Amino acid sequence: DTAVSQTPKYLVTQMGNDKSIKCEQNLGHDTMYWYKQDSKKFLKIMFSYNNKELIINETVPNRFSPKSPDKAHLNLHINSLELGDSAVYFCASSQHKLAQGNEQYFGPGTRLTVT
Amino acid sequence: DAKTTQPPSMDCAEGRAANLPCNHSTISGNEYVYWYRQIHSQGPQYIIHGLKNNETNEMASLIITEDRKSSTLILPHATLRDTAVYYCIVRPTAGGTSYGKLTFGQGTILTVHP
Repeated sequence: DTAVSQTPKYLVTQMGNDKSIKCEQNLGHDTMYWYKQDSKKFLKIMFSYNNKELIINETVPNRFSPKSPDKAHLNLHINSLELGDSAVYFCASSQHKLAQGNEQYFGPGTRLTVT
Repeated sequence: DAKTTQPPSMDCAEGRAANLPCNHSTISGNEYVYWYRQIHSQGPQYIIHGLKNNETNEMASLIITEDRKSSTLILPHATLRDTAVYYCIVRPTAGGTSYGKLTFGQGTILTVHP
């Protein structure tokens, strides 16, 4: 069973379109994340949700809107796609443990190409 | 979060131990050292983490110096499948405003050759 899954794996679309990427985890974790890895391979956090509440919101254009319908799902909707949005998007999850380390488990990634 | 410094690349012969260094001289007392790796085209994979003591699991060992300003990840018997980018990350415990945020640097490209 895949622990953290993402759909679709590949997404090719035109500028100006709106698209969504879905993420599901079956690990029973309470915290989920979205990361973006650009063409230079830098991996940066975008959002974090804990128990369906937004915890971390990095400097991300408001065209990006995460939605967490329940603890096991964190979807990413992107409006008015731009060329610069082309990247690989990774979803991750972890179990929040105060005063302890908590490892994150990553999905396989969604490669978004905007033409 | 404290910054880390890693060599950009390293080589290792298959079957030998791979020792990947990381400097984190500005680490704070409540910050953990984490290691992740990313095999080509896959999502990052958690390897190990530690606070003060050395740690070992089925994948690797983590040696943290007494002053906590540097650490070494050891893959005891490297295989070709261990070829990947290895990231050393320091971050606070799960409380606080950073709340689980992982800040990835450029990492070390480890190439294991036959």
